[in-house]
Amino acid sequence: DAGVIQSPRHEVTEMGQEVTLRCKPISGHNSLFWYRQTMMRGLELLIYFNNNVPIDDSGMPEDRFSAKMPNASFSTLKIQPSEPRDSAVYFCASSGQGLFNQPQHFGDGTRLSIL
Amino acid sequence: KQEVTQIPAALSVPEGENLVLNCSFTDSAIYNLQWFRQDPGKGLTSLLLIQSSQREQTSGRLNASLDKSSGRSTLYIAASQPGDSATYLCAVKKANFGNEKLTFGTGTRLTIIP
Repeated sequence: DAGVIQSPRHEVTEMGQEVTLRCKPISGHNSLFWYRQTMMRGLELLIYFNNNVPIDDSGMPEDRFSAKMPNASFSTLKIQPSEPRDSAVYFCASSGQGLFNQPQHFGDGTRLSIL
Repeated sequence: KQEVTQIPAALSVPEGENLVLNCSFTDSAIYNLQWFRQDPGKGLTSLLLIQSSQREQTSGRLNASLDKSSGRSTLYIAASQPGDSATYLCAVKKANFGNEKLTFGTGTRLTIIP
């Protein structure tokens, strides 16, 4: 059973460039989450979707960040323009729907370095 | 605002010993609490999920307890093994219908010494 798939695994780019991170959730899951992890701030929720609709984007740091979920099997997180302080590991997670809340399943992350 | 704390930040234990990891949270109005492990360069793996109405959950050598009124949870690992070395994070979900947000602690980095 395939888990959450993220691409690329690593991204190194120069400041000012556009960065697009991709996520394929587990088939059948209806909630998708984007997180950012840094040593200083730990794991922070950026945005989450339910049934492809953005529910809470209060964690998105600035207008430079945007996220889309055009269908149930794909989501993107875009940073434009990128800055060195955006360097972090970005995780995507998904969870299913059930009588009791289902655990979130995480991808292996994208390690982003902005030079 | 919910705050989740995990102390200590790092812990080293000889192989075979039993150990307890701690998690505390400031707002007791939670829906559930999850324990995750994170291996270097990897994402988080869910270990145990405790509903607010439950007091504990067990999976193999792992046992998680929840005391909602005091804002505490513990993860007990029995007969520790080198493969248990990882960072362990707890996360709480607020008791809002339809709110799927988790608030994470900063984790405890566990090292099991062979």
